[in-house]
Amino acid sequence: NAGVTQTPKFRILKIGQSMTLQCTQDMNHNYMYWYRQDPGMGLKLIYYSVGAGITDKGEVPNGYNVSRSTTEDFPLRLELAAPSQTSVYFCASSYPGSGGQGLNYGYTFGSGTRLTVV
Amino acid sequence: AQSVTQLDSQVPVFEEAPVELRCNYSSSVSVYLFWYVQYPNQGLQLLLKYLSGSTLVKGINGFEAEFNKSQTSFHLRKPSVHISDTAEYFCAVSDLVGTASKLTFGTGTRLQVTL
Repeated sequence: NAGVTQTPKFRILKIGQSMTLQCTQDMNHNYMYWYRQDPGMGLKLIYYSVGAGITDKGEVPNGYNVSRSTTEDFPLRLELAAPSQTSVYFCASSYPGSGGQGLNYGYTFGSGTRLTVV
Repeated sequence: AQSVTQLDSQVPVFEEAPVELRCNYSSSVSVYLFWYVQYPNQGLQLLLKYLSGSTLVKGINGFEAEFNKSQTSFHLRKPSVHISDTAEYFCAVSDLVGTASKLTFGTGTRLQVTL
């Protein structure tokens, strides 16, 4: 059971380039999330999804896009990379349970993607 | 809107000493509270959670936390730390408003355990 898998682990992008951060989970979790982590700032929610075909913005969505065509995959796309997007990106998933009690199981996090935009 | 404040950005402590990492939250509704640990170059791992019931919650690795509604706090404690506890610790809150259980994280506390 792999849990949440993120690829790549590291990437350097030039300003204006685009890329997709991949995230896949094998736990049949309905809910998936993308966070970015910056030093001293904690984790900020970028986008989230409650199921295939349903996505919504989080706290810091500008400059990013997501899609959720399957339960397993939740890729994050950067269209025009900017230095402000230099960060560590974490994907997470959770199971909603019943009655909205998804957090009974907590989040499962991937190991992160360290992105540098130069 | 909900928010989390972790009052200490860094906490140095000697091995085998007790430690308390402080967390205060703000929310207009009932909340669920969590502590996560992040070891260097790794993702976040759930330490413990408060959902309901007993206000004293025990987690993995000997950590525990106490939910105090009147103080809006959820401080993390361990009676005797080990070198291997050196990591960053994040407090998080969710009010479960809406359909997605979104977590709001604090800025983290770096626990540095030395001999």
